[in-house]
Amino acid sequence: DTGVSQNPRHKITKRGQNVTFRCDPISEHNRLYWYRQTLGQGPEFLTYFQNEAQLEKSRLLSDRFSAERPKGSFSTLEIQRTEQGDSAMYLCASRWEGSSYGYTFGSGTRLTVV
Amino acid sequence: AQSVTQLGSHVSVSEGALVLLRCNYSSSVPPYLFWYVQYPNQGLQLLLKYTTGATLVKGINGFEAEFKKSETSFHLTKPSAHMSDAAEYFCAVSAGGSQGNLIFGKGTKLSVKP
Repeated sequence: DTGVSQNPRHKITKRGQNVTFRCDPISEHNRLYWYRQTLGQGPEFLTYFQNEAQLEKSRLLSDRFSAERPKGSFSTLEIQRTEQGDSAMYLCASRWEGSSYGYTFGSGTRLTVV
Repeated sequence: AQSVTQLGSHVSVSEGALVLLRCNYSSSVPPYLFWYVQYPNQGLQLLLKYTTGATLVKGINGFEAEFKKSETSFHLTKPSAHMSDAAEYFCAVSAGGSQGNLIFGKGTKLSVKP
């Protein structure tokens, strides 16, 4: 098991473009979380899935954001019509719901909107 | 609602000195508390966690933390700092008890002087 994998590591995009990030969790983990981290701040919760079901969404997740987890495996986070304020590190984490809170984080995708 | 306050956005210590990073929490349910470390352009790595039981928790790399309910604190300590400890440290509380996502503090950047 190679841990939580996120791609791409870095993404630079022009304002108004759409971007999509991918997260591959640890295979036996049924819960998958997305967080956003801006400069000088701690990670902020965006949304999470249990298997393929999206169970909770933060108010931070505007209509321009959509996340999916088809078949309960990998997940994608799409941002439409990007804005400069979307520039951040997007972190993915996974865990097994019955575990002793073993959240494992990926290395993140750093988005820069120019 | 749960929240975390980390006192001091920057802490600087000399190599070999005691490391003390402060964290206070607010929780309406018995808290589950975590410390994570983040190196530049990396994801988060779990240092230690408190769920139930012994209030002094030992983690990786010589770090430990003590849960003090009366003080609503979960401060992180290490007896002797190494240069490799220079990183950003985040305290987190699990929202909603055992099934919640993580709520992070704003982080404390630790610098270690030779």
